Amino acid sequence: GAVVSQHPSRVICKSGTSVKIECRSLDFQATTMFWYRQFPKQSLMLMATSNEGSKATYEQGVEKDKFLINHASLTLSTLTVTSAHPEDSSFYICSANERSAGGADTQYFGPGTRLTVL
Amino acid sequence: AQTVTQSQPEMSVQEAETVTLSCTYDTSESDYYLFWYKQPPSRQMILVIRQEAYKQQNATENRFSVNFQKAAKSFSLKISDSQLGDAAMYFCAYRALYNTDKLIFGTGTRLQVFP
Repeated sequence: GAVVSQHPSRVICKSGTSVKIECRSLDFQATTMFWYRQFPKQSLMLMATSNEGSKATYEQGVEKDKFLINHASLTLSTLTVTSAHPEDSSFYICSANERSAGGADTQYFGPGTRLTVL
Repeated sequence: AQTVTQSQPEMSVQEAETVTLSCTYDTSESDYYLFWYKQPPSRQMILVIRQEAYKQQNATENRFSVNFQKAAKSFSLKISDSQLGDAAMYFCAYRALYNTDKLIFGTGTRLQVFP
């Protein structure tokens, strides 16, 4: 299957700082990428849909000024957690849509980023 | 709104045996996609199998197969000849027909495999 990378895999930061997480589709172009948050032993919660060249679409309850998303190219989307606080500590996962013949796109996931805010 | 329900928080199976994970969903659409994803301890989400709702034939990928019952809105995953490496969280997911639509996940089933 297609490969999606995320960087960094782990980050520890101080409260009040900003953290940027990168998501790259390595062997395909992705016009749409998604950002999820996962709490321990829970399912994935979609935060936002990132479309190349346009503004991201945020899910209800997700602060767009807190979680800045940029999808500047067909292979890269970034999530910036601004002024991070301990409650933002979580596992963040991105996914990228791979187009396939017949329209049956498939989402492939990155390995995730564990964010710890002290 | 569409919902996905996985009613089994945990399941266990003996190595080499067969196990079935349940998933039901609710939608008013007639065409859509269903997926099973596996999340091992590494937390990397891995696509296991995909089913298009307009296909009557159940999808199969090696030891993994589904029982897709469209009228009942049921989409169970059968794992045959279970292996230790199958131990993971399994998530059922629904996606509407349009390609950029989001995945709607169930709450997951934790599968343990005993030797």
